[in-house]
Amino acid sequence: DVKVTQSSRYLVKRTGEKVFLECVQDMDHENMFWYRQDPGLGLRLIYFSYDVKMKEKGDIPEGYSVSREKKERFSLILESASTNQTSMYLCASRQDVSEAFFGQGTRLTVV
Amino acid sequence: AQSVTQLDSQVPVFEEAPVELRCNYSSSVSVYLFWYVQYPNQGLQLLLKYLSGSTLVKGINGFEAEFNKSQTSFHLRKPSVHISDTAEYFCAVRANAGGTSYGKLTFGQGTILTVHP
Repeated sequence: DVKVTQSSRYLVKRTGEKVFLECVQDMDHENMFWYRQDPGLGLRLIYFSYDVKMKEKGDIPEGYSVSREKKERFSLILESASTNQTSMYLCASRQDVSEAFFGQGTRLTVV
Repeated sequence: AQSVTQLDSQVPVFEEAPVELRCNYSSSVSVYLFWYVQYPNQGLQLLLKYLSGSTLVKGINGFEAEFNKSQTSFHLRKPSVHISDTAEYFCAVRANAGGTSYGKLTFGQGTILTVHP
């Protein structure tokens, strides 16, 4: 079974802090994604990566950056956390035309 | 550009009743279609997918969906629901051709299914 692991289930950070969310997949997938999930809005794509060191902006990239130094790891970075970034963050990976596999999610609270 | 609309934000239903969760999409190219389920405090799990072939797709837990190209719909159905089906359900679409949307999975807003005893 494909496993996508997010490093934290719950995080509480202060406004202005730099925040790192880590995601690791174990199936050698080319494509990895970061989404945020908010009630009534579904999942919105922040960034995705189709290869090491390659990244593309999704629908809501403002306030975020990403890093993919190794194929299995995709990091989401909040340069200066703000309260409107309080949300559930979901990482996913996918190979070719197959479905995306999701991690358990990180619930981030910025106070 | 592509978009997905789930027509009901909440669907309450009694146990053993049938249910339909509605999903419409728009896209300028051909698409792949997916339904995911999310149980409380968990990530998303694939229920079923349409890539090509038969327009009636069967998934896990007794769910099925029908791809209707002319109506750009992909409604999810189950003939008899259980309490354990209580969860949030997401419809998603991805372009299957090159272009700016290639590879990007777009989700609907989600439908919360609540099954009452």
